[in-house]
Amino acid sequence: QQQVKQSPQSLIVQKGGISIINCAYENTAFDYFPWYQQFPGKGPALLIAIRPDVSEKKEGRFTISFNKSAKQFSLHIMDSQPGDSATYFCAAYAGNNRKLIWGLGTSLAVNP
Amino acid sequence: DAGVIQSPRHEVTEMGQEVTLRCKPISGHDYLFWYRQTMMRGLELLIYFNNNVPIDDSGMPEDRFSAKMPNASFSTLKIQPSEPRDSAVYFCASSFRAGGKLFFGSGTQLSVL
Repeated sequence: QQQVKQSPQSLIVQKGGISIINCAYENTAFDYFPWYQQFPGKGPALLIAIRPDVSEKKEGRFTISFNKSAKQFSLHIMDSQPGDSATYFCAAYAGNNRKLIWGLGTSLAVNP
Repeated sequence: DAGVIQSPRHEVTEMGQEVTLRCKPISGHDYLFWYRQTMMRGLELLIYFNNNVPIDDSGMPEDRFSAKMPNASFSTLKIQPSEPRDSAVYFCASSFRAGGKLFFGSGTQLSVL
């Protein structure tokens, strides 16, 4: 059972455009939502994260928007660059065991 | 710190052989995780340790898989016997605390022929 649903599976954006990746969840016990970025041949690396008491968090060109009532959150990459081409994973933490529940990933390609 | 170190980077073996993957976590990190990544199933948590003790192995697919952490600086994931469906990238990750930032190694690409 996929507890964090991520879309789209793949995304192609032109350089300078905005990349948007969406995630949805059902479990209201989730209380921390990180995004990880993975380049080919590498392990995922933490990009940015948000807690549900905040509606938006921005770090440079990367912004997380969070809609608690809709149980949705999204990653926006402004002024997308070819170097942003990677796979992006949304995820969620819940419970005392703090297991991380992962989305299936979005493969982003930014054309020069 | 050199980060999480995994070896080997690539492993090609024949069905039925034993495979051992190795991981050195970041010094001072109390949590160690083994993940498997495939196109179909994404990132799957296989097992994780806290202070060298296995906490949750519910993701280990079957008895052919076993993991150990004999000390704070070393862990192994063993598959015996290996099968073609075990072909995947296996990642080791560590973190300082529960629910904290995960630091991943570069993974082991396993191909079972």
